[in-house]
Amino acid sequence: QKEVEQNSGPLSVPEGAIASLNCTYSDRGSQSFFWYRQYSGKSPELIMFIYSNGDKEDGRFTAQLNKASQYVSLLIRDSQPSDSATYLCAGGGGGNKLTFGTGTQLKVEL
Amino acid sequence: GAGVSQSPSNKVTEKGKDVELRCDPISGHTALYWYRQSLGQGLEFLIYFQGNSAPDKSGLPSDRFSAERTGGSVSTLTIQRTQQEDSAVYLCASSLGTTGGIDTQYFGPGTRLTVL
Repeated sequence: QKEVEQNSGPLSVPEGAIASLNCTYSDRGSQSFFWYRQYSGKSPELIMFIYSNGDKEDGRFTAQLNKASQYVSLLIRDSQPSDSATYLCAGGGGGNKLTFGTGTQLKVEL
Repeated sequence: GAGVSQSPSNKVTEKGKDVELRCDPISGHTALYWYRQSLGQGLEFLIYFQGNSAPDKSGLPSDRFSAERTGGSVSTLTIQRTQQEDSAVYLCASSLGTTGGIDTQYFGPGTRLTVL
């Protein structure tokens, strides 16, 4: 059973702080990882993907991948109230199917 | 360009009735996926179509669920003899179907199904 695990939260951070969202996966064959953001009542939207060990930065977002530890994370710098949402981590094993985690709810407080 | 569209946006039905949910993928996307999301839960994979290949039905929860994709484009998810536990948001996604590389899935707005 391929699994992607996330802490459901809620994770509360003050405005302007760094939010750190974490994800672990069980399938060592997973090659690519995606972070989606889902606002309440809306569909998931892609934030970024990563497939190489290390960091990948895109604006205020940084994805980190450590294949040895089977660990993926998403850092959000200068968190804003508009970042409050559920963040879904998903892993792909080389095919096109993705396995999604249950998501972490992030609350950015004023 | 146009994104993934789904219809209806909301469907209320009575237990035991059949329902059909429709998905129009992004033009040119060969891969199409159906997911189910129950309240406060993650995405549960249902079925995956890739081009003309046989669909991956490994996520369908029971034989009451079926899906087809006509002409490699529009897909219909059918739930027969609906049960209350079928109440959820049904999400469709499509992707280019790139193999051996990054293949990003783009989601439609979903259909909220309520079975009374």
